[in-house]
Amino acid sequence: KAGVTQTPRYLIKTRGQQVTLSCSPISGHRSVSWYQQTPGQGLQFLFEYFSETQRNKGNFPGRFSGRQFSNSRSEMNVSTLELGDSALYLCASSLAPGPNTEAFFGQGTRLTVV
Amino acid sequence: QKEVEQNSGPLSVPEGAIASLNCTYSDRGSQSFFWYRQYSGKSPELIMSIYSNGDKEDGRFTAQLNKASQYVSLLIRDSQPSDSATYLCAVKNNNAGNMLTFGGGTRLMVKP
Repeated sequence: KAGVTQTPRYLIKTRGQQVTLSCSPISGHRSVSWYQQTPGQGLQFLFEYFSETQRNKGNFPGRFSGRQFSNSRSEMNVSTLELGDSALYLCASSLAPGPNTEAFFGQGTRLTVV
Repeated sequence: QKEVEQNSGPLSVPEGAIASLNCTYSDRGSQSFFWYRQYSGKSPELIMSIYSNGDKEDGRFTAQLNKASQYVSLLIRDSQPSDSATYLCAVKNNNAGNMLTFGGGTRLMVKP
């Protein structure tokens, strides 16, 4: 059974550019959450998607957005990149929102903004 | 104020000893609790989940939950050098979908 797949694994972008990251959840999982991990702030929740709808959003500026497709694959987009956006972006896959639901992480996309 | 607190460590234990990792949380509505292991340069890996008060054992790992004290812990028995990693505590309020709130992690070092 395939795990969570994130692409690309590494990215280098210039300030002001935009970037799109992709996540394919575990087969049968319909909930996808995105997290940002930095040495200073740790793991922080960005947003969660289920059935192509954003269910929750963390405390990030509007430059961070996402979407989910009918096959549960998800993308997140960061526009007008800033140096501080350099981080490991992680996607977590769950069966569905709800109690006692476990989340499994992909390998992450390491974004460097120069 | 951070909602999930962990001692950053490093926690150093000799091989074969018991490692005890602790986590406190502030949201009394938290209902699901998870421990993740993260090796340097890798993504978090789920090792334990616990939902009700008491102990839950899985191999060398035991998770303990005390909702009244808002405290969750992870015990690793017979620690091995391969257990050296950062251990992340995560909590979920089931009214907030699948959003996980993470602690800063405890770095564990198991010395041969």
